[in-house]
Amino acid sequence: DAKTTQPPSMDCAEGRAANLPCNHSTISGNEYVYWYRQIHSQGPQYIIHGLKNNETNEMASLIITEDRKSSTLILPHATLRDTAVYYCIVRVQFNDYKLSFGAGTTVTVRA
Amino acid sequence: EAGVAQSPRYKIIEKRQSVAFWCNPISGHATLYWYQQILGQGPKLLIQFQNNGVVDDSQLPKDRFSAERLKGVDSTLKIQPAKLEDSAVYLCASSQVRTSGSTDTQYFGPGTRLTVL
Repeated sequence: DAKTTQPPSMDCAEGRAANLPCNHSTISGNEYVYWYRQIHSQGPQYIIHGLKNNETNEMASLIITEDRKSSTLILPHATLRDTAVYYCIVRVQFNDYKLSFGAGTTVTVRA
Repeated sequence: EAGVAQSPRYKIIEKRQSVAFWCNPISGHATLYWYQQILGQGPKLLIQFQNNGVVDDSQLPKDRFSAERLKGVDSTLKIQPAKLEDSAVYLCASSQVRTSGSTDTQYFGPGTRLTVL
């Protein structure tokens, strides 16, 4: 598995965009970038994933650099309910079934 | 669409007792996973089923942990006898099998928080 590196924590003001970085410098060509988050006392929640193109859904946007060695998850308008641990995971779909969670980034959204 | 269901949500037992957790995956999801999450750490895979067959149980402590998915839908995870270090949140997740246009994104249940005294 390619490993990921994330900052341990970050703060964000409510209503502002939160930009969460992730480094995955050893990512393979067929590995996807997945983002999950875990709100306190809940199970991990899928956010978004992508291979090389930028992706957007109702929760967030995923920006992957052209060399695919890093990515940024963007929460466009952070709310207090976005306070959680965010995990960046790289894996091959179907062949690499195990999700290898690192320490993640603890994001605190402040009013 | 209903999510992954788990029960109980909380369980407190004494060491050397036994305990069982139940999981009902998202309808139509053939693949089911059990993860263990110790406080302050990310979840770690214990076992994966596809339908009623085990795909990977290499990280399951088989001397005390067992899991089954007899009819390919619901699953139970059992610990017997429990140790203090088994105190953790036990998470169940499910995903689709590979078909045209599908992804194998894993969706998690709320987890069962186990405390072993």
